[in-house]
Amino acid sequence: GDSVTQMEGPVTLSEEAFLTINCTYTATGYPSLFWYVQYPGEGLQLLLKATKADDKGSNKGFEATYRKETTSFHLEKGSVQVSDSAVYFCALSGTSGTYKYIFGTGTRLKVLA
Amino acid sequence: DADVTQTPRNRITKTGKRIMLECSQTKGHDRMYWYRQDPGLGLRLIYYSFDVKDINKGEISDGYSVSRQAQAKFSLSLESAIPNQTALYFCATSEVEGGTGELFFGEGSRLTVL
Repeated sequence: GDSVTQMEGPVTLSEEAFLTINCTYTATGYPSLFWYVQYPGEGLQLLLKATKADDKGSNKGFEATYRKETTSFHLEKGSVQVSDSAVYFCALSGTSGTYKYIFGTGTRLKVLA
Repeated sequence: DADVTQTPRNRITKTGKRIMLECSQTKGHDRMYWYRQDPGLGLRLIYYSFDVKDINKGEISDGYSVSRQAQAKFSLSLESAIPNQTALYFCATSEVEGGTGELFFGEGSRLTVL
């Protein structure tokens, strides 16, 4: 079945460091891909999305490109801030004809001042 | 006010007790979902509903039941709580068909079963 694999955390970086969180997927169809972020004590919220191959999603300085050839959707940010400390979830949806999400296990990011 | 509201936000209960978690939304979405979050396991789908008359089991529905009382309300029940149901529970809504729509989450209900 469909699945999402993302790098385990926690990831600890200094402020202004470059961030990459890896995400790969397995899907039989053509899914949409998402990154959600969960700040402490809050629910998940959409960070960015891409709906077809080679699309680039971007928001708040974060970017991810839908790579069909490598089945990947890695999250990147050039310069992280302390306020980016959160848990990041990669997810896919839309492959089975029903509107069903598959989430990765989440990667905790801690940014130190 | 939040668009997706969950109550209670925190609950501690004992094994064997009946628990209901409630979710209400003001987004006008037809689709509603209940997820469970456990450390290292991500989010897993318990139940989902595409409209008031449509209820579907997710990947981990055993031990849970749901009720869609109205378009805006979707409740999750644990008929006889057990300790391994201790988790963070999220309600979510969505609107768009075709798998490209965004999920909107509530702030979560933390349940502890002793």
